[in-house]
Amino acid sequence: AQSVTQLDSQVPVFEEAPVELRCNYSSSVSVYLFWYVQYPNQGLQLLLKYLSGSTLVKGINGFEAEFNKSQTSFHLRKPSVHISDTAEYFCAVRANTGGFKTIFGAGTRLFVKA
Amino acid sequence: DAGVTQSPTHLIKTRGQQVTLRCSPKSGHDTVSWYQQALGQGPQFIFQYYEEEERQRGNFPDRFSGHQFPNYSSELNVNALLLGDSALYLCASSLLTHGETQYFGPGTRLLVL
Repeated sequence: AQSVTQLDSQVPVFEEAPVELRCNYSSSVSVYLFWYVQYPNQGLQLLLKYLSGSTLVKGINGFEAEFNKSQTSFHLRKPSVHISDTAEYFCAVRANTGGFKTIFGAGTRLFVKA
Repeated sequence: DAGVTQSPTHLIKTRGQQVTLRCSPKSGHDTVSWYQQALGQGPQFIFQYYEEEERQRGNFPDRFSGHQFPNYSSELNVNALLLGDSALYLCASSLLTHGETQYFGPGTRLLVL
C-alpha cells in the first residue's frame, strides 16, 4: 500500500518569492508521482508527473519537482510565484505495477500575498 | 476536444435517498475513475472502470456502486445517503495504455441534509 504526507497544510508567501511545497511518500513498490493543482470550485489539473528517468521534472506554469528515492520525497518548487498561483496543491502516488488507484495527500494551501 | 464532463454540477439530497452522478470521459479515453473529496481533504479513490467492469475498488461500502457504458461514459450511484456522503465527487478519465495520466472533470458537489 502507498501513502502520501504533505508536510505543510498552508504556505503563505509573498509575490515573486520562491516557494517549496513538501511531499513525502511511503510505498513498498516502485511508484509514479504526481502534483495536481485545484483552484476554487474546480477539478484537479495535472502540474507534473514523475514516471521514470530524470529525477528533475518540469511542469506547467513554471513549476518543477525533484524525485528523491532515498528520502522518499517529491517536493514541488517554483522560483517566483504569482498571485494567480494561489490554490490548493495535491501530491499523489500510484504503484507502477499491479494497481490502479491513485493515493492523494491532504493538500497544501498556497496563499500568495501582494 | 472536449475534456471530462460531469453532471449535475450541484445536488442536494436528504438522508436515506439515492443519487446518480454522471461522467463523460475525455475523447479517446476508455477508463474512468471516481473519487470522493470531502471538504478540506484530498480526493479518495472509490473505484475504476474499464471495459464496463470494475477493476479496483477503494475502501468504500457497497452503498457506492458504478457502471460504465459501451461509449465509456460512467455513472456513480450512492444508496441510503448519509450526512457524511456530502462531498465533491470527481471523475477522472485515462487511456488504458497510459493509465498513469488522468484528466479530471470539474466535479459534482453533493450536499446531504
